[in-house]
Amino acid sequence: AQKVTQAQTEISVVEKEDVTLDCVYETRDTTYYLFWYKQPPSGELVFLIRRNSFDEQNEISGRYSWNFQKSTSSFNFTITASQVVDSAVYFCALSEFSNAGKSTFGDGTTLTVKP
Amino acid sequence: ETGVTQSPTHLIKTRGQQVTLRCSSQSGHNTVSWYQQALGQGPQFIFQYYREEENGRGNFPPRFSGLQFPNYSSELNVNALELDDSALYLCASSPTGSPLSYEQYFGPGTRLTVT
Repeated sequence: AQKVTQAQTEISVVEKEDVTLDCVYETRDTTYYLFWYKQPPSGELVFLIRRNSFDEQNEISGRYSWNFQKSTSSFNFTITASQVVDSAVYFCALSEFSNAGKSTFGDGTTLTVKP
Repeated sequence: ETGVTQSPTHLIKTRGQQVTLRCSSQSGHNTVSWYQQALGQGPQFIFQYYREEENGRGNFPPRFSGLQFPNYSSELNVNALELDDSALYLCASSPTGSPLSYEQYFGPGTRLTVT
């Protein structure tokens, strides 16, 4: 069975601070996908990144960066110089390889960025 | 905008009733997945349909059923509603080609309240 744990339920930071959201996963599969999604108050899940299990390169996209460590089964997400618009619930998810439609989600981290 | 729409936006039902939720996928997306997101939790996989056939099911009872139609629309039906069925229901579609896909696009969800 697959499992995703996001130990941080809520995080509050002041604008321009850096913040890291933790994600730890469990799976017996040797190949799989990992994802991060953002859910603003409107409710729609917004895709942020997908990572294949065999690609451990870190990725940076603007103020966002992701650190994937297979050895510790972690896929952490860092926002640099946070902004108020980053306030949302962030979900980490795990899926079978090549079937993102069967994803297991963590319970999310609510990020509040205060001006 | 993901091109995935859901209706209705909100719905209030009484315990024991039946409900049908609808989803319209992007043209050409042959795979649709449904998720249930209870308050304060991450989305949970209900089932997936590929070319009008069920292609996997999560830990949900048979009173949760689905249909997928050739015009890229789909339905989630829930019979004998229980209070715990109150949640945000999300559908997600995946591109054409096979049930295997590395991405899914979420709709805005239907908020179901059971009283």
